This record gives sequence, structure tokens and C-alpha cells, in this order.
Amino acid sequence: GAVVSQHPSRVICKSGTSVKIECRSLDFQATTMFWYRQFPKQSLMLMATSNEGSKATYEQGVEKDKFLINHASLTLSTLTVTSAHPEDSSFYICSARVPEQESQYFGPGTRLTVL
Amino acid sequence: AQSVTQLGSHVSVSEGALVLLRCNYSSSVPPYLFWYVQYPNQGLQLLLKYTSAATLVKGINGFEAEFKKSETSFHLTKPSAHMSDAAEYFCAVRFSGGYNKLIFGAGTRLAVHP
Repeated sequence: GAVVSQHPSRVICKSGTSVKIECRSLDFQATTMFWYRQFPKQSLMLMATSNEGSKATYEQGVEKDKFLINHASLTLSTLTVTSAHPEDSSFYICSARVPEQESQYFGPGTRLTVL
Repeated sequence: AQSVTQLGSHVSVSEGALVLLRCNYSSSVPPYLFWYVQYPNQGLQLLLKYTSAATLVKGINGFEAEFKKSETSFHLTKPSAHMSDAAEYFCAVRFSGGYNKLIFGAGTRLAVHP
């Protein structure tokens, strides 16, 4: 089956630092990946759609300069939270689209805590 | 525009009882519908999907869902709940615009009691 990994699974950082989260498709090529944010006991909020070799498409209200997305290869997308603040603390989940299956497969998530 | 409504943020059943999690959608085009399960501090796992083939869809772990166009529903069921089914369940519809984004419902937390 399609497997998506995320690294790190958990990160704690100081306010003002930047944090990079990696999302990898392990056994398939993903031209499209998605980044979500999930607050405690809430649903997933789509932040942006990441396309290999082009700029990401951000959802309304998501700061593109705050959440930098790079999709440099068919198996890797990265999300960088720049100048993180405590309000950026959240669970970040990525997914990768498998076109021929019309499905998205999700990574295990990254818990970000900003002190 | 597409949207998803999950009725009941919390559902509690006894072990061995029927599980019924409700999902209604709105879509201006034939929808693709999905159910995902999320265990604590983990990502989402695909349970099953409807992609305009058979209206009764069987998924993993004994779950199934029936697409009812007349009711715009895609309810998730399992005949006999197991303790390990306790988790958060999300219904989602695929956005008909570019990139096939998913629009998620608010989620239903399933508790299973012995």
C-alpha cells in the first residue's frame, strides 16, 4: 500500500526559531501533496496544496511567508514554519495523492510545540 | 460548493453493538466520498471510499458505508463494535476543483464500552 512518512514526529522549539517538517511518499511518486493543521479535538484544516516543481497553492487565511512549502521532488515536500510562535503549536499532517487510486494517504503527523 | 456534515460529535456504543456514524454531504457534482479513522496522535488511515461504482462500499476492519444519493448520505456502519474501534472518524468529500482537495467533516469520536 501507499505509505507516507513524516519527520520529525515531535518537535519542541523556542519562539522565534524556524522548524522544518518533511513529508515523504515511500513507495510511490506524488505529484501533489497536501499540508493540514489540526487543533486539539478538531478536524483537519487544509493549509496548502503542494505541487512538484511549482509554487504551492495556499488556502485563504494561511500566510505563505509564515508557512513555506517546497516540493522539490516527486517523493518529498517540506513545510517550514518560520519565526514560530506559541500560537503555531499544533499537529501538522501531510498527505500525498495517489492519482490512479483517487485517494490521499496521510502521514503520521508532527506535533509542534513552540515555547 | 461541497461540504460535509457529521451528525454527532460523540458516539458511544457497547462492545458487540452496531456502530453507526452519520455523514451527509452537499455537492453540485457526483461526489467522491471517503471515511478516515484517526487514532490518538496519529495521522489518518483510509477506511473506505466511494468513487461512483457500487453504492455499498466495504472497507477495512469490518466497516462498510452505503452511498444514498436521494438522502445525500454516506453513513458508516459496523455490525459489531470492538474495543479497538475507539477512535476519531472523519468523513470527507473530494473537492471538484483543481488538485482534488478533500473537505473534511468535523469528526465523530467513537467510544466503545465493555
